[in-house]
Amino acid sequence: QVQLQESGPGLVKPSQTLSLTCTVSGDSISSGGYYWSWIRQYPGKGLEWFGYIDYSGSTDYNPSLKSRVTISLDTSKNQFSLKLSSVTAADTAVYYCAREGRHGPGYLDYWGQGTLVTVSS
Amino acid sequence: DIQMTQSPSSLSASVGDGVTITCRASQSISSYLNWYQQKPGKAPNLLIYAASSLQSGVPSRFSGSGSGTDFTLTISSLQPEDFATYYCQQSYSTFRTFGQGTKVEIK
Repeated sequence: QVQLQESGPGLVKPSQTLSLTCTVSGDSISSGGYYWSWIRQYPGKGLEWFGYIDYSGSTDYNPSLKSRVTISLDTSKNQFSLKLSSVTAADTAVYYCAREGRHGPGYLDYWGQGTLVTVSS
Repeated sequence: DIQMTQSPSSLSASVGDGVTITCRASQSISSYLNWYQQKPGKAPNLLIYAASSLQSGVPSRFSGSGSGTDFTLTISSLQPEDFATYYCQQSYSTFRTFGQGTKVEIK
């Protein structure tokens, strides 16, 4: 059974960098079959895709966030991470990590439970 | 980017009712359309992928159809556990985008 679990600070100060890690169990992120994704959800509202990384470290990002986002891999720990720089209150959201198949229609079949990050001084 | 527009934004229905939710893409996305269900405090859960393929373990009362720009999610007979918010998502473009959601409430 594949499981994903987000971890990281729940409170970040404005202008600082938000850093989250997703730990994957039940699958190897270096196996090559999947993209490892980050998505966020504003309180009570819709979903925004950040981007993804594949087993080789190749990434694709949301163009509107690209200047502030970095997604990276740590295959030794079977983890991938999100860094979002220069945060403001508008970045307050629940952050999810998820898995997407690299071959085929491209759907998110496993998600973490989500972690709320609040940006406030 | 490809805009995804769902309608209605919310609806009220009774247990046993049939329900249809529509999702429209701002350009053709072929069949690269997925549907998710989300309950309060939980992550979205994949229901339908590639417009009409039922994810393993999802009840057969859920079905999807459409291609190009217009898609539908149908629940044939609403069950108590189906009251939730539903999202469509396109995977045609590398830049994935979601619809704004449709909340299905109990009448």
